[in-house]
Amino acid sequence: EVQLVESGGGLVQPGGSLRLSCAGSGFTFSSYWMSWVRQAPGKGLEWVANIKQDGSEKYYVDSVKGRFTISRDNAKKSLYLQMNSLRAEDTAVYYCARDGGRGVIVVFDYWGQGTLVTVSS
Amino acid sequence: DIQMTQSPSSLSASVGDRVTITCRASQSISSYLNWYQQKPGKAPKLLIYAASSLQSGVPSRFSGSGSGTDFTLTISSLQPEDFATYYCQQSYSTPPYIFGQGTKLEIK
Repeated sequence: EVQLVESGGGLVQPGGSLRLSCAGSGFTFSSYWMSWVRQAPGKGLEWVANIKQDGSEKYYVDSVKGRFTISRDNAKKSLYLQMNSLRAEDTAVYYCARDGGRGVIVVFDYWGQGTLVTVSS
Repeated sequence: DIQMTQSPSSLSASVGDRVTITCRASQSISSYLNWYQQKPGKAPKLLIYAASSLQSGVPSRFSGSGSGTDFTLTISSLQPEDFATYYCQQSYSTPPYIFGQGTKLEIK
């Protein structure tokens, strides 16, 4: 059974940092692109960043470029999101999601349960 | 960036109804369109990928159609467990992979 389990969320002050983790199991983690998707309270879904299987390609939404860094450790079957210079508007539930690799189309076929990040003084 | 617009934003319907949700892209995205269902407090669930392909394990009452800029998600006969929020998502070309704003399907 494919499982993704996020951790690392919490309350942080504006300007602070936080590192999210996502542990994968039940599939060959190193064979898939992985993404972070977030959802602000009461709002819709926003794709944040993704990373290629070997970590050689990374993409970000404009609003987090220069502040967030996505990375992975295939030996540990883990995905990470280092979040610096956090702002109130970064408050959201952060999900990790697997790109199921339906050919060239990006499809988020498995999601974690999410971890809540709250940026507030 | 490609923008995605869903309509309606909310919808009230009854069990057994046929429901259609529309998603429009700001430019052609071929068939690079996915649909997700999200229930309160839960992670999204993939329903349809590549505009019309049913994800494994998803009931056949869900179907998707369209290409280019206009897409639809249809639920042929609403069941109580289908009341949720639905999102479309484009994955054409390079990121960002934009989601629509969501359609909340409520019980009438």
